[in-house]
Amino acid sequence: NAGVTQTPKFQVLKTGQSMTLQCAQDMNHNSMYWYRQDPGMGLRLIYYSASEGTTDKGEVPNGYNVSRLNKREFSLRLESAAPSQTSVYFCASSPRVSNTEAFFGQGTRLTVV
Amino acid sequence: SQQGEEDPQALSIQEGENATMNCSYKTSINNLQWYRQNSGRGLVHLILIRSNEREKHSGRLRVTLDTSKKSSSLLITASRAADTASYFCATDRSSNTGKLIFGQGTTLQVKP
Repeated sequence: NAGVTQTPKFQVLKTGQSMTLQCAQDMNHNSMYWYRQDPGMGLRLIYYSASEGTTDKGEVPNGYNVSRLNKREFSLRLESAAPSQTSVYFCASSPRVSNTEAFFGQGTRLTVV
Repeated sequence: SQQGEEDPQALSIQEGENATMNCSYKTSINNLQWYRQNSGRGLVHLILIRSNEREKHSGRLRVTLDTSKKSSSLLITASRAADTASYFCATDRSSNTGKLIFGQGTTLQVKP
């Protein structure tokens, strides 16, 4: 049982390049989330998907787009990467949108130069 | 803005001692959760306490919740070197649609 799988694990981008971070869960969870983690800032919610077919903005959505491709997969896209997007990105999933624990992937460490 | 504020930011203790971390939050919640993160890894869920609960135990973990003070504490008893990690509180707010909002975390070092 893999849980939440993120790809890639590491990525270096040049300013202005685009890329998509992939996330897949095999727990049949309804809700999925993208967070970023910066030193001293804890985790901040970028976007989330309460259920298949829906997406909503979190605390820091600017510069990102998401796609809930199906129940298993939730991708995060950076259209034009900026150095301020250098961070560790975590995908998470939960059985339902509230009153339940979240399960996290191992993270993607992204550097924008 | 962050919902949870954690205190202290860093804590260093000897193996066998107890470790206490505190979390304060600003708005009404459905529940409050604690997570652990080992260096370079993802977060792992430790415990969830609902807004109508005051205390919860899980092994060596004890969590309290005081909704009148909008605060929670995590106590790790008889700490071990393997407990060295960062600990985060996260709130599931009453007014939201399931967004978990995290605090900045407490870094715990347990010295053998």
